[in-house]
Amino acid sequence: GAVVSQHPSWVICKSGTSVKIECRSLDFQATTMFWYRQFPKQSLMLMATSNEGSKATYEQGVEKDKFLINHASLTLSTLTVTSAHPEDSSFYICSARGVNTGELFFGEGSRLTVL
Amino acid sequence: GDSVTQMEGPVTLSEEAFLTINCTYTATGYPSLFWYVQYPGEGLQLLLKATKADDKGSNKGFEATYRKETTSFHLEKGSVQVSDSAVYFCALSDAGSYQLTFGKGTKLSVIP
Repeated sequence: GAVVSQHPSWVICKSGTSVKIECRSLDFQATTMFWYRQFPKQSLMLMATSNEGSKATYEQGVEKDKFLINHASLTLSTLTVTSAHPEDSSFYICSARGVNTGELFFGEGSRLTVL
Repeated sequence: GDSVTQMEGPVTLSEEAFLTINCTYTATGYPSLFWYVQYPGEGLQLLLKATKADDKGSNKGFEATYRKETTSFHLEKGSVQVSDSAVYFCALSDAGSYQLTFGKGTKLSVIP
């Protein structure tokens, strides 16, 4: 089946630094990618939707200047958490929708810990 | 807005036991309903789905029926295996949308 890979799977950073998480569709082209955030024992919360070559659409309450999303190609989207703080510590998950299929494929997630 | 409520876990069952994970939803219109499964260390995978009332989704021995009258989409399996140990997420999407609204997930552990 289609594969979506996230990197890194686990990252620890100091408060005030920026962290970039990559989401790649390995064997298909993804016109749309979604970024989710998951707190412990909570559901996945959609943060933003990104379409290749255009600006991301952010959900209400998500700071676009803090969570920078770039979808520069049909196989790569990046999420950059800028000036990270401990409250940004969370599990970030991406999903991708293929050009020729309506099915969504999910990455394995990236756990961010901000000290 | 849309929401999904699923039973809280963790759920621990013996091998070959019957499984039910309850899921109810609130949504406007006629959403599509999904169950996703996340095995340890892996991304979410679509387990099954149903797009209209009374549809039954099934896969790998799991079943769920779209019940509009009770706004439910309960997941069932007649005989679980150790390999079914995972976190299960119920989700919905509005008609014509690829955006998903998830439940909190239910962790299932199956012991030999």
